[in-house]
Formats: sequence, C-alpha cells, structure tokens
Amino acid sequence: EAQVTQNPRYLITVTGKKLTVTCSQNMNHEYMSWYRQDPGLGLRQIYYSMNVEVTDKGDVPEGYKVSRKEKRNFPLILESPSPNQTSLYFCASSKSIAGRSTDTQYFGPGTRLTVL
Amino acid sequence: SQELEQSPQSLIVQEGKNLTINCTSSKTLYGLYWYKQKYGEGLIFLMMLQKGGEEKSHEKITAKLDEKKQQSSLHITASQPSHAGIYLCGAPPPSLSGGYQKVTFGTGTKLQVIP
Repeated sequence: EAQVTQNPRYLITVTGKKLTVTCSQNMNHEYMSWYRQDPGLGLRQIYYSMNVEVTDKGDVPEGYKVSRKEKRNFPLILESPSPNQTSLYFCASSKSIAGRSTDTQYFGPGTRLTVL
Repeated sequence: SQELEQSPQSLIVQEGKNLTINCTSSKTLYGLYWYKQKYGEGLIFLMMLQKGGEEKSHEKITAKLDEKKQQSSLHITASQPSHAGIYLCGAPPPSLSGGYQKVTFGTGTKLQVIP
C-alpha cells in the first residue's frame, strides 16, 4: 500500500530537548516536504527536498533542520525545541515537483507535538 | 506572495443538503488543488484543476476553476456525514520560472454535516 508514515504520532517534550520526527515513503518519490499546521494560520511549509541531498527552506524554517540521505526518508530535527513549535506536523511526498504536474501529493497522518 | 482565502470558514449543513466552498486567490492561479482533512489527521488529495473553466468530479464532489483562474469552488451534492472534515485549497505560486514551486494553502473550511 502506498503510504507516508510518520513517527511518533504524538510527542510531549520539554524546551531544549532535541528531538527527531521521522518520515518515510514507500513510493520512490523524489519530492518530500514538511509542513506545520496551526489554528488560524493554515498549513505552512517548513522545508522541502527535491531529491537525495537536495533540501531547501520553506516559509518557516527557523528552529528546524532536515536531512535527505536516502530517497525514502526525510526526518525533521528540532535541535532545541521551544513552546512556539507546538504544532501539528505533516510530512508529504510526491513523484514530481508540486505544482508542475497533476501528481498527487501524499500526506502522512501527522505528528502532534507539544513543547512545554 | 500569493494568498488563498477560503469561504466560509465553517459550515454546518443538514444531511442531504448541497453546499459550496470557495477559494479565492490574490493572483492568477496556475493550478489549484483541493484536499480534505479529517480532524487531526493527514490531508487526502481530492482533485487538481489547471485550466480556466475546468471542472472535475469525484463521487458527489465537484470542483471548478473559473475562466479568469482566480477562484475555485467546491460543490458537494446531497451531503453525508462522511463529508465532514476540513477542506483546504492549495496552489502553486504564479511564477513558473526555474526552481522549486511551493504550494500555498488556504486556511481551510470546516464542514459539519448533521444527520
């Protein structure tokens, strides 16, 4: 089954404690992306990757890091989480660059992060 | 930057009623995605529109992109409780010049369907 998986689904942590949210897709997609969703602000892109070792900033990259060492994985790293990073996070992947084709963007189930 | 405004922000309808959700762009649309999100879950792709005047249907959901390509509407016929959720529109930026094209999302329309 084609899918994007994220782990963990729920996480409560404290300020400053480094954490990683994993994202994996089994569709051999080149493009992957991380979003955060906040009430009233909608879905905002954090980072994206067009292929292995190719990543770039989205709209709200501050406080986050990513890496793309393998095609299937795109982890999101919070080196020193702060309460304003409390949010619902989504990973997404698609075959090609979003907006340039009708390729569907598949979303993971989401990770609800609370930073105390 | 491009902004997408959705209306209404929330909607409560009785089962069996028709409804329409609108997505208006501040700039010309070069494509428009519609997604559905169950509360607290991931987004499910519904359909993508690219050409002015284009209309697509998926089961009882129909979406249309206007001729001027600045507004899209999503219409649900004979709504059912399974249609409840948050509907989001998304669009690539106006510029088609080189480089990555980021998708901008609307803030969503929350739909409740009362049995």
